[in-house]
Amino acid sequence: QSVLTQPPSVSAAPGQKVTISCSGSSSNIGNSYVSWYQQLPGTAPKLLIYDNNKRPSGIPDRFSGSKSGTSATLGITGLQTGDEADYYCGTWDSSLSAWVFGGGTKLTVL
Amino acid sequence: EVQLVQSGAEVKKPGESLKISCKGSGYSFTSYWLVWVRQMPGKGLEWMGIIYPGDSDTRYSPSFQGQVTISADKSISTAYLQWSSLKASDTAMYYCARLLSNTFDYWGQGTLVTVSS
Repeated sequence: QSVLTQPPSVSAAPGQKVTISCSGSSSNIGNSYVSWYQQLPGTAPKLLIYDNNKRPSGIPDRFSGSKSGTSATLGITGLQTGDEADYYCGTWDSSLSAWVFGGGTKLTVL
Repeated sequence: EVQLVQSGAEVKKPGESLKISCKGSGYSFTSYWLVWVRQMPGKGLEWMGIIYPGDSDTRYSPSFQGQVTISADKSISTAYLQWSSLKASDTAMYYCARLLSNTFDYWGQGTLVTVSS
């Protein structure tokens, strides 16, 4: 059971938009920055969004992040088949004194 | 260019010991915390622990405390994750990653550890 809750899967058609939610508590998302990671099949995770809504160099602006209270959301617009991957949210949990992740969301681009 | 290069896949028997590595390059290895993350087959990411190679200050997730040992040799810019007695349940992919402020900005390619009799 992950500390952060994500939907197991989401799907949308190419070109469409999708959002992935990440729900936590006041000890994690409510008081810490959230990051999002993309894990393409058979590869290592890759940083997609950090500090709730910032994109590292090289990440297209089709990817966006937001946070409100104890929840965070990853948005992806203009979906491409190459976006099919598992997406994880992560943050620091001050009660657990541990870095925590969501269970991951599998994105299918139909 | 920042790179974290991990050692190759391992196949071990239960009860055996193992030490896997993560070599950093392209940045000041002693100035950034490094974490280890486990991913069991078909499962999500789990933070195991963290080390500051500059002084080897190490912290463990409560879930992994006593189960593994994290260390670093700053002279060769390499961090390690080791087990003294492997179990079948240690079968997983293990990643190292660099901590930048509040995020893991660079990841190693992963080391697959398979424990089977």
